[in-house]
Amino acid sequence: EAGVVQSPRYKIIEKKQPVAFWCNPISGHNTLYWYLQNLGQGPELLIRYENEEAVDDSQLPKDRFSAERLKGVDSTLKIQPAELGDSAVYLCASSLGLNNEQFFGPGTRLTVL
Amino acid sequence: QKEVEQNSGPLSVPEGAIASLNCTYSDRGSQSFFWYRQYSGKSPELIMSIYSNGDKEDGRFTAQLNKASQYVSLLIRDSQPSDSATYLCAVKQGAQKLVFGQGTRLTINP
Repeated sequence: EAGVVQSPRYKIIEKKQPVAFWCNPISGHNTLYWYLQNLGQGPELLIRYENEEAVDDSQLPKDRFSAERLKGVDSTLKIQPAELGDSAVYLCASSLGLNNEQFFGPGTRLTVL
Repeated sequence: QKEVEQNSGPLSVPEGAIASLNCTYSDRGSQSFFWYRQYSGKSPELIMSIYSNGDKEDGRFTAQLNKASQYVSLLIRDSQPSDSATYLCAVKQGAQKLVFGQGTRLTINP
C-alpha cells in the first residue's frame, strides 16, 4: 500500500513569490492534515480536512495561506506571498477517521530567500 | 506554559542501556497520548500509543502514563544505535487536535 505522497520534496523561492504544495493521502483515508514543522520543533497543525470539508483551520494564517481538497482526496496548500519566516518543512498526514493513527508524508522543505 | 513540554536534549545513552524520555502536558482532560520517532530529514513515525494510566509494553519500548501528574514517558530498553532519533510526544486534546512537544533528540553511543 502506498503511503502519503507529497510533492515537491524541496522548494526554494524568493520572498513575495507564491508557492504550492501537493499531497495525496493513503487510499481510503478521509481525514487529511497539513502541519508545519520548524527546525528543532514538533509539527504544528495548520488545517484538518474531513473529506472535502475544512473542519479545523484555526491555526492557518489566512492572509497568505490557503488550502483546498476539492474532491475529498488530494489536497493543495498554497502560500502567497511567501515570507522569510515561512521557511520550514510542510508535512501532510492522513488517517482513517479522526481517532485513528496519523500517517505522515515525507514533507516539503521550503526555503524562502 | 507550553501545552506539551519535553526536554529538547540532546540525551546521550550508551548502547545497551535504558533510555528514558519524559513529557508533561497541560490539558488535564487529555485522554490519548502518543510517541513518534523522527529520524533526521524524515517524517514522524508512530511507535507507541497509550490511553490508560500505567505501563504499556511493546518489544523494547514501554510507555508510562500518569494522568494525575500529567506525565507520560517512554523507556527504550537495550538501546541500539538505530534508536538515535528525535522522539516526539503528542497529546490529543479533546476529541480532535493532536499537539506535539518540541521533541527530544536521543543519541545512542556504541
